[in-house]
Amino acid sequence: EVHLVESGGGLVQPGGSLRLSCAASGFTFSNYWMSWVRQAPGKGLEWVANIKQDGSEKYYVETVKGRFTISRDNAKNSLYLQMNSLRAEDTAVYYCARGGGKGDGWGQGTLVTVSS
Amino acid sequence: EIVLTQSPGTLSLSPGERATLSCRASQSVSSTYLAWYQQKPGQAPRLLIYSASSRATGVPDRFSGSGSGTDFTLTVSRLEPEDFAVYYCQHYGLSPPTWTFGQGTKVEIK
Repeated sequence: EVHLVESGGGLVQPGGSLRLSCAASGFTFSNYWMSWVRQAPGKGLEWVANIKQDGSEKYYVETVKGRFTISRDNAKNSLYLQMNSLRAEDTAVYYCARGGGKGDGWGQGTLVTVSS
Repeated sequence: EIVLTQSPGTLSLSPGERATLSCRASQSVSSTYLAWYQQKPGQAPRLLIYSASSRATGVPDRFSGSGSGTDFTLTVSRLEPEDFAVYYCQHYGLSPPTWTFGQGTKVEIK
């Protein structure tokens, strides 16, 4: 069974940084693309970034390019999202999801609040 | 850039009724790359349908997907109490492999 657990969220001031982590278990992590998706309070789903199995390809939504960096450590079965220059509009629950195509496994999410 | 438009925004129905949700793409997409998700309050999304019409593991057969080109439909044949939720369609591209979600349809109890 796919099990994904996000951590690292919290309250941060505008312009600050946070690093989110996603611990994976129940499947062979290194065989799958992985993705980050966010959901602002009361809003819909927004794809943020994804990364190929070996980390050689990474893609981002335009609004986070140059500020966010997705990475992974296959030895630790972990996915990361480094978020810099955070803005109020980055406030959301951040989910990690298995897959670069259909997202067939999701974590419960971690809340990031950007506010002074 | 593909834009997905879902309708209606809210669907008010009673348990036992049929729900029909629409997802329209701004340009033709391959049905291979169209999925539907269910999200309940306080929970993560759950994959229901992929490749437009294939049910994900464990999804009841009252859920079905159809469509091609620019028009896709999610149908719930008879609503159970646990089906009242928000539903999102999603397109996953190949080059680049980015994701696009529709804005969601809320199915609420009438």
